[in-house]
Amino acid sequence: QVQLVESGGGVVQPGGSLSLSCAASGFTFSSYGMHWVRQAPGKGLAWVAFTRYDGVNKYYADSVKGRFTISRDNSKNTLYLQMNSLRAEDTAMYYCAKDFESSWAAFDIWGQGTMVTVSS
Amino acid sequence: QAGLTQPPSVSKGLRQTATLTCTGNSNNVGNQGAAWLQQHQGHPPKLLSYRNNNRPSGISERLSASRSGNTASLTITGLQPEDEADYYCSAWDTSLSAVVFGGGTKLTVL
Repeated sequence: QVQLVESGGGVVQPGGSLSLSCAASGFTFSSYGMHWVRQAPGKGLAWVAFTRYDGVNKYYADSVKGRFTISRDNSKNTLYLQMNSLRAEDTAMYYCAKDFESSWAAFDIWGQGTMVTVSS
Repeated sequence: QAGLTQPPSVSKGLRQTATLTCTGNSNNVGNQGAAWLQQHQGHPPKLLSYRNNNRPSGISERLSASRSGNTASLTITGLQPEDEADYYCSAWDTSLSAVVFGGGTKLTVL
C-alpha cells in the first residue's frame, strides 16, 4: 500500500547534525514532489522544505535555510533531510509528506514521523 | 515567514455546522488557494481538500471548502464526535517561495 516511513531521529546536542530518511512505497516516487514538515511538542505544523519530483528545485523555510538540506534518490525511492547546526528550537516531530497533484502546498500522504530532540 | 491566520478554537454542538476560516493575502490564499488538513491527537495530519473543494478520495461529503478573496473556509455539516480535531490550512506563497501554514483551529464538538 501507499506508505512513507521516516527514520533517523534521535537526541542530539546543540550545534550537532542529524540525517533523516523517508522511504516511500506504493506509488511512483519519482513523479511527485516531496516535503518535510515538523511539529514541535504541543504546537502547530511548520513547513521545513520541499523538493520537486526531479530534485532540481528545492525550497526552504527561512528558519532552516543554510542549515538544512533536502535531497532525494529516485532510484532508491527515498527522501532525505540533512540537518546541521541544530538548535533547541529544531526539536520536533519531523514528517515527510507527498505533494498532492503538483500543488506544492497540499500533502496527501504522510509518514508517522520521526522525533528529533536537540538538548544538552 | 508570516503565516496564515486561523481562529484558535471553535465549538459547536453535535449535528450542527461549523465553518472554519483561514486568512492570508494575495500572494498565498488569494492567489493559489488553500489546503485543509485534519489532525487527531497523536496522529499525522490528513488532507481534506485543496483549492476549489478538490478532495482526495475517501473524504466525507460533509466537508466542503471554498474561498473568497484572501480567505479560505472549510465547512463541516452534521458534526460528529470524530470531527473533533485540530484543523490546519496551508498555501504556497509566491512571494516567499515557501509553504505557509495557519496556526490551527481546535474544533470541539459539544
